[in-house]
Amino acid sequence: GQQVQQSPASLVLQEGENAELQCNFSTSLNSMQWFYQRPGGSLVSLFYNPSGTKHSGRLTSTTVIKERRSSLHISSSQTTDSGTYLCALCGGGSNAKLTFGKGTKLSVKS
Amino acid sequence: AQTIHQWPVAEIKAVGSPLSLGCTIKGKSSPNLYWYWQATGGTLQQLFYSITVGQVESVVQLNLSASRPKDDQFILSTEKLLLSHSGFYLCAWSLRGDAEQFFGPGTRLTVL
Repeated sequence: GQQVQQSPASLVLQEGENAELQCNFSTSLNSMQWFYQRPGGSLVSLFYNPSGTKHSGRLTSTTVIKERRSSLHISSSQTTDSGTYLCALCGGGSNAKLTFGKGTKLSVKS
Repeated sequence: AQTIHQWPVAEIKAVGSPLSLGCTIKGKSSPNLYWYWQATGGTLQQLFYSITVGQVESVVQLNLSASRPKDDQFILSTEKLLLSHSGFYLCAWSLRGDAEQFFGPGTRLTVL
């Protein structure tokens, strides 16, 4: 089965609302990364967060290993936050493969 | 500062034609290197990884091959493209296996 599950698949917000994106994983975690994927496909790295909570501006990432989940919180959303957010789990090992979720498509309306 | 460059930015190729995509990392010695691929509407998945020059391991079989001819260069290629090779190809590097991975701008491939 799928090792990384993201929810919700899509989310529509009014500007100013907060968003909570979830990533649940079924395998052991070595690290977790969150990305914003631009419409053209390139990735913007948001967080590298093996455990605990990290902040960057209006974004907060929390990874709880024993609960096998990671979240991305966006506060006071803006229309420019619209796009696809991906989480990726690294299980370690020699190949250091990042296993990506299918993504959350966020739409913020003015 | 480290920079990662991919070429070409985009390619349109015919089925059965050869392909070569490149990736160069500057400013970092002996990085781990990775190729990822995303079909249109699909999920990103790792194709290859390399820990050192001349050594490449395949993760997913897609009738593609990869090589690392120099410490800072990673090449993805095939002699015969398939329609299913279309998608977005990303190169990435990290300092070690469990470290943060940094991605290049990607190459959009369309096979007709």
